[in-house]
Order: sequence, then C-alpha cells, then structure tokens
Amino acid sequence: EAQVTQNPRYLITVTGKKLTVTCSQNMNHEYMSWYRQDPGLGLRQIYYSMNVEVTDKGDVPEGYKVSRKEKRNFPLILESPSPNQTSLYFCASSPRRYRGLSYEQYFGPGTRLTVT
Amino acid sequence: SQQGEEDPQALSIQEGENATMNCSYKTSINNLQWYRQNSGRGLVHLILIRSNEREKHSGRLRVTLDTSKKSSSLLITASRAADTASYFCATKTQGGSEKLVFGKGTKLTVNP
Repeated sequence: EAQVTQNPRYLITVTGKKLTVTCSQNMNHEYMSWYRQDPGLGLRQIYYSMNVEVTDKGDVPEGYKVSRKEKRNFPLILESPSPNQTSLYFCASSPRRYRGLSYEQYFGPGTRLTVT
Repeated sequence: SQQGEEDPQALSIQEGENATMNCSYKTSINNLQWYRQNSGRGLVHLILIRSNEREKHSGRLRVTLDTSKKSSSLLITASRAADTASYFCATKTQGGSEKLVFGKGTKLTVNP
C-alpha cells in the first residue's frame, strides 16, 4: 500500500531532550515536507526537500533540523525541544513536477508532540 | 505567511444539503488544491485544479477557480454525516518551489 508513515505517533518529552520524528514514504517521491499544525494557525511548513541531499527552509524552521540522505526518508530533528514546539506534526511527499505541473501531496498520519 | 484563506471558518448543515466553502489567495498560482482532515488525522487530498482550469468535478465535489478574483470554491453536494471534517485549500505558487501554502480551514459539520 502506497503510504507515508511517521513514528512515533504520540510523544511526550521534556525541554531540552533531543528527539527525532521519522518519516518514510514508499512511493519513490522526490519531494518531501514537514508541517506543523496549531489551533488557529493552520498548517505551516517547517522544512522541505526537493530530492536527496537537497533541503530548504519553510516558514517556521527555527528549532528544527532535517536531513535527506535517502529518497524515502526525511527525519525531523528537534535538538533542544521547547514547550512552544508542542504541536501536531505532519510529513508529506509528492512526485516531482513534470513539465511545470505539480501534483498533490500525500500526508502521513501525524505525530502529536508535547514538550513539558 | 498565509496564502489561502477559507470562508466561512465553520459551517453546520443538515444531511442532504449542499455545502459551499470559499478560498481566497493573494499571489499568482500554479495550482490550487483542496484537502480534507478528519479530527486529529492526516490530510487527504480531494482535488487539484490548475491555473488554466475553471471547473473540476470529482464525485460529489465540484471545484471552481477564478484567477481574476484569486478565489476558489468547493461545493459538496448531497452532504453526508461522514463529510464532517475540516477542509483546507492550499496553493502552489508559480515558480520553481514545490511549496504548498495552506489556509486555516473550514470546519464542516453535517448533522444527521
């Protein structure tokens, strides 16, 4: 089944303790992205990657890191989590545009992170 | 920065009625997409309309796009209780970036 998976689905942690949220897709998509969703603010993009070893900042990258060593994986790293990073996080992937046309994004199930 | 803005923020209707949601955006787009999100779950893509298209249908969904007014609408006909969800529009701007910018969503409640 074609899908985007995220782990863990739920995480409660303490301020300053490094954590990684994994994201994997089995659709051979070039483009992957991380979003956070907060009440009243909608979805905001954190980082995205156009292909292996190519990453770029989204709208709210502060406090986050990403890497894209393999096409299928795009982990989100919080080196020193803070309470304002408590949020619902989504990973998404998409095929690369073809002849200037872009495609829909496929979303993972979400990771609910609480930082105390 | 928010590109798409949905209207209304919340909508409550009876089963069988039609639901219309609107989205306005600010800059030129490559395409506009609508997604559905059931409470606390991942987003599911519904329909994509390209900037050179004016209307698109998919089952009970009808999407229109007016690039001169920078607006789009999503119509769900003959709504069902299972349509209860939040609906988001997302815009893909022209240019090389694949970035999607989401609105804040319309929360639709369909009462049985």
